[in-house]
Amino acid sequence: GENVEQHPSTLSVQEGDSAVIKCTYSDSASNYFPWYKQELGKGPQLIIDIRSNVGEKKDQRIAVTLNKTAKHFSLHITETQPEDSAVYFCAAIDQTGANNLFFGTGTRLTVIP
Amino acid sequence: DTGVSQDPRHKITKRGQNVTFRCDPISEHNRLYWYRQTLGQGPEFLTYFQNEAQLEKSRLLSDRFSAERPKGSFSTLEIQRTEQGDSAMYLCASSFYGTDGYTFGSGTRLTVV
Repeated sequence: GENVEQHPSTLSVQEGDSAVIKCTYSDSASNYFPWYKQELGKGPQLIIDIRSNVGEKKDQRIAVTLNKTAKHFSLHITETQPEDSAVYFCAAIDQTGANNLFFGTGTRLTVIP
Repeated sequence: DTGVSQDPRHKITKRGQNVTFRCDPISEHNRLYWYRQTLGQGPEFLTYFQNEAQLEKSRLLSDRFSAERPKGSFSTLEIQRTEQGDSAMYLCASSFYGTDGYTFGSGTRLTVV
């Protein structure tokens, strides 16, 4: 099955700086890569996603890049704000297959005001 | 539609007792998923339904666990003879044919004492 690894496990940045979280996956059949933000006591919330036919996607301060050859994808948050503090999870799925998401182990992001 | 609803939000039970959780998906979503999340980890797939049919179960879903989705609407997850190792957050998510990102509920946090 798919194996998703995520780094770093914790990340602290000053407000206004950028944050980068990286993930690798093992199954070359995976073709959809969502990112989730999870705040304390809440379920994961989809913040951005990318499909395997696209190399980069941006939504305001958030961007995701995908390198299919290397099997890795990254989340970039620019101009970080204290409300960006949360746990972020990457995930991968083969949408033509079993359809269950495989998650990374999460990155706890702290934005220091 | 207010998103995916889960009930209860918290459940404390004694070891050996049975518990049942409920999930109400987004009404137009035909797929419903159950995931389990332990502290410091990403969610792990348990099972999913397409309409009323349970199409896949993870090996994490022991015979003490059972899930139903009568009439393809809400779903219930029952755990019989709970064990301390069952303590976790149980998350429900829904999607339309697995396309795009899943929408997660806020979860039910189970504590077995």
